[in-house]
Amino acid sequence: AQSVTQLGSHVSVSEGALVLLRCNYSSSVPPYLFWYVQYPNQGLQLLLKYTTGATLVKGINGFEAEFKKSETSFHLTKPSAHMSDAAEYFCAVSDNGNSGYALNFGKGTSLLVTP
Amino acid sequence: KAGVTQTPRYLIKTRGQQVTLSCSPISGHRSVSWYQQTPGQGLQFLFEYFSETQRNKGNFPGRFSGRQFSNSRSEMNVSTLELGDSALYLCASSLGGHRNYGYTFGSGTRLTVV
Repeated sequence: AQSVTQLGSHVSVSEGALVLLRCNYSSSVPPYLFWYVQYPNQGLQLLLKYTTGATLVKGINGFEAEFKKSETSFHLTKPSAHMSDAAEYFCAVSDNGNSGYALNFGKGTSLLVTP
Repeated sequence: KAGVTQTPRYLIKTRGQQVTLSCSPISGHRSVSWYQQTPGQGLQFLFEYFSETQRNKGNFPGRFSGRQFSNSRSEMNVSTLELGDSALYLCASSLGGHRNYGYTFGSGTRLTVV
């Protein structure tokens, strides 16, 4: 089954600094990869997704991610952090195992943005 | 455009009881999936319904069940509640499948079993 590993359960950046959230995947087939964000007491919101084609994917709120097959990575970046970016971020891979096409999520990375 | 609506937002139940959670997807979305979120296990897939048929099922005991109605609204039921069932239950809808369209999630139902 496909899986993802998020490196770092907590990441702290200063406002205006680069945001880098790391995600590595394990997949025996070309993966479908996603980043979701969860704000307190809310559901998850899709930031961006990679299916096929261009390896640099642009999402909402200025985020982007690059699919690197050689490194089995799909790291999320944003050039300049805003206070409003503080949230929990989840990397996910679409699994086509016994559960059909379900999403397998990473454990999440909590992003803290300091003034 | 209305989002995914889950009711109720909060529930407190006693061990051994059963509970039913409701989800109204975005208009036009025929796929509804359910996920359980806990601090220890993270987000885990429960099941997916498409056009009133269960299309996929995760690795949960038979106490967890669901259904989808002709208007795409979905319910999930948990019988004989256990303390470990305390979690945030998230419903997600998709136009066709999450691979191409992604999910739109509701705000969840927080279930506490005492």
